[in-house]
Amino acid sequence: GAVVSQHPSWVICKSGTSVKIECRSLDFQATTMFWYRQFPKQSLMLMATSNEGSKATYEQGVEKDKFLINHASLTLSTLTVTSAHPEDSSFYICSARARLARETQYFGPGTRLLVL
Amino acid sequence: AQTVTQSQPEMSVQEAETVTLSCTYDTSESDYYLFWYKQPPSRQMILVIRQEAYKQQNATENRFSVNFQKAAKSFSLKISDSQLGDAAMYFCALAQGGSEKLVFGKGMKLTVNP
Repeated sequence: GAVVSQHPSWVICKSGTSVKIECRSLDFQATTMFWYRQFPKQSLMLMATSNEGSKATYEQGVEKDKFLINHASLTLSTLTVTSAHPEDSSFYICSARARLARETQYFGPGTRLLVL
Repeated sequence: AQTVTQSQPEMSVQEAETVTLSCTYDTSESDYYLFWYKQPPSRQMILVIRQEAYKQQNATENRFSVNFQKAAKSFSLKISDSQLGDAAMYFCALAQGGSEKLVFGKGMKLTVNP
């Protein structure tokens, strides 16, 4: 149980284009989903928290117009990197938390984004 | 503010032996949860073990157990009978009760030697 999927796992795009990453909880309803960014050999950096049916809460320093988050249902959240630039190249990971999950987050496999 | 500290950036262990990964934390809350996550080369974050602060008994999951010292704010992970598949980055994390966020340590790279 508690499986989270992410799609795509790899994406290469040209500078200036937008990229959408999907995060799905496959066997549970996720009241809250999280988006992280991870640089090589570093820990996870929380970008934003999204709750189903409401606007995402962004961490300080994260541009909300750059990283659009939509949590349309209890099993799906999307992160759109708008007008991507090479500095947006990174590893993006989502996680999901179920109701009554005692603060436990289950993570997706991550998406590697390379902007050329 | 909550903090999580993993002071050892790297460790190694021989296959079949036991290794202990250290973690200290700081929080002013009495209701919180502690976690160890494993990130192998695939980069998939995997929950290893979870401990509720209100529970005195140390959590155990097969070969993985914790030594939770609440007064000392210490939360170490013991891996028994180490296997090659245990090689990974290990992250200690803290969540306050009622808070949605996880605070992660910087991680520790574990190498398992055959």
